[in-house]
Amino acid sequence: AQSVAQPEDQVNVAEGNPLTVKCTYSVSGNPYLFWYVQYPNRGLQFLLKYITGDNLVKGSYGFEAEFNKSQTSFHLKKPSALVSDSALYFCAVRDNADSGYSTLTFGKGTMLLVSP
Amino acid sequence: DAGITQSPRHKVTETGTPVTLRCHQTENHRYMYWYRQDPGHGLRLIHYSYGVKDTDKGEVSDGYSVSRSKTEDFLLTLESATSSQTSVYFCAISDKDLTEAFFGQGTRLTVV
Repeated sequence: AQSVAQPEDQVNVAEGNPLTVKCTYSVSGNPYLFWYVQYPNRGLQFLLKYITGDNLVKGSYGFEAEFNKSQTSFHLKKPSALVSDSALYFCAVRDNADSGYSTLTFGKGTMLLVSP
Repeated sequence: DAGITQSPRHKVTETGTPVTLRCHQTENHRYMYWYRQDPGHGLRLIHYSYGVKDTDKGEVSDGYSVSRSKTEDFLLTLESATSSQTSVYFCAISDKDLTEAFFGQGTRLTVV
């Protein structure tokens, strides 16, 4: 069965510094990987995805993620954090079900706090 | 939010009562999903649908049932609500290849 691990419950970073939110995954077959962000009292918003191609994926709001197949990781990064980036971030993997009907499995989420 | 509407947005109900949450989409996507979000657990899949009248169970389906009689509507029913079902429920939709999923605003359900 597929799984996603986000080892940090919370990441603290000062505004202007680079940030990294970690994600590792386990899935059979080729991975489809996603990052979502959730602001307070809101639904999840799509940030970026990796399906195939370049290992460095660029997404919304200046975020990017690096796919590393050998380490089964898909870490979210941003060169310069903003206070407005403070939110809950979820990593997800698409399962490659034998039935042909795919679903997303999510990590437990990482709270990012950017201090002024 | 990609044409997804969840209703109600907030609900307080008593233990043992039936509750139905509705997800309505205007995107004509084939796949629809119900997730629940709980602290420390992230999002967990309850049920999903891959077409009208075609549904399947997810990771945490006990105590829940679903129905999809039209492409645009996916209903989640708690037959007899329990306090452990207090949660925030999210509906999501996607295309057939699940290359991207769109989420609704969520329904906050409190069972007292």
